[in-house]
Amino acid sequence: EAQVTQNPRYLITVTGKKLTVTCSQNMNHEYMSWYRQDPGLGLRQIYYSMNVEVTDKGDVPEGYKVSRKEKRNFPLILESPSPNQTSLYFCASSSTGSLYSGNTIYFGEGSWLTVV
Amino acid sequence: AQSVSQHNHHVILSEAASLELGCNYSYGGTVNLFWYVQYPGQHLQLLLKYFSGDPLVKGNKGFEAEFIKSKFSFNLRKPSVQWSDTAEYFCAVNAGGFKTIFGAGTRLFVKA
Repeated sequence: EAQVTQNPRYLITVTGKKLTVTCSQNMNHEYMSWYRQDPGLGLRQIYYSMNVEVTDKGDVPEGYKVSRKEKRNFPLILESPSPNQTSLYFCASSSTGSLYSGNTIYFGEGSWLTVV
Repeated sequence: AQSVSQHNHHVILSEAASLELGCNYSYGGTVNLFWYVQYPGQHLQLLLKYFSGDPLVKGNKGFEAEFIKSKFSFNLRKPSVQWSDTAEYFCAVNAGGFKTIFGAGTRLFVKA
């Protein structure tokens, strides 16, 4: 079954304590991305990766890091979390494709992160 | 820069009412257009998409969307909503490559 799996699903942490949210996909997709979802703001892209060792900033990258050492994994790292990073986070992947292939995005189930 | 606007942030309907959720985008070239749905407590999933051909796209559960290029719109419709359609709906645009822009979402609540 095609899946994007992220962990943990729920986490409460304290300000400044480094944390990592893992993401793995089993569809051999080249493209992976992280979004955060906040009320009234919809989905905002944090970082994305077009392939192994190729990453770039999205719209709201401040306070986050990512790495792409393997095709299937794309962890999100919060080096020093702050309360304004309390949010619902989604990992996503899609295949390489031309404009005419549709480029459907597959989402993970989300990770609720609370920073106190 | 590309952007996606969803006209309503919250919509409340009674069962059997008709639904239309507006979506406009700003990009002059060829686009792929999507509607994603997020049911309570679940992750986003694709509802329907347009990338070429017939501008009227039909999805699951009676949903459809019409791409009107001259209006830069991709409105979502359903003739008769059900309580189980309660969810948040996101319009999204991809203009080629890997960048997909999402709208802010519309929360639909259907009263039983």
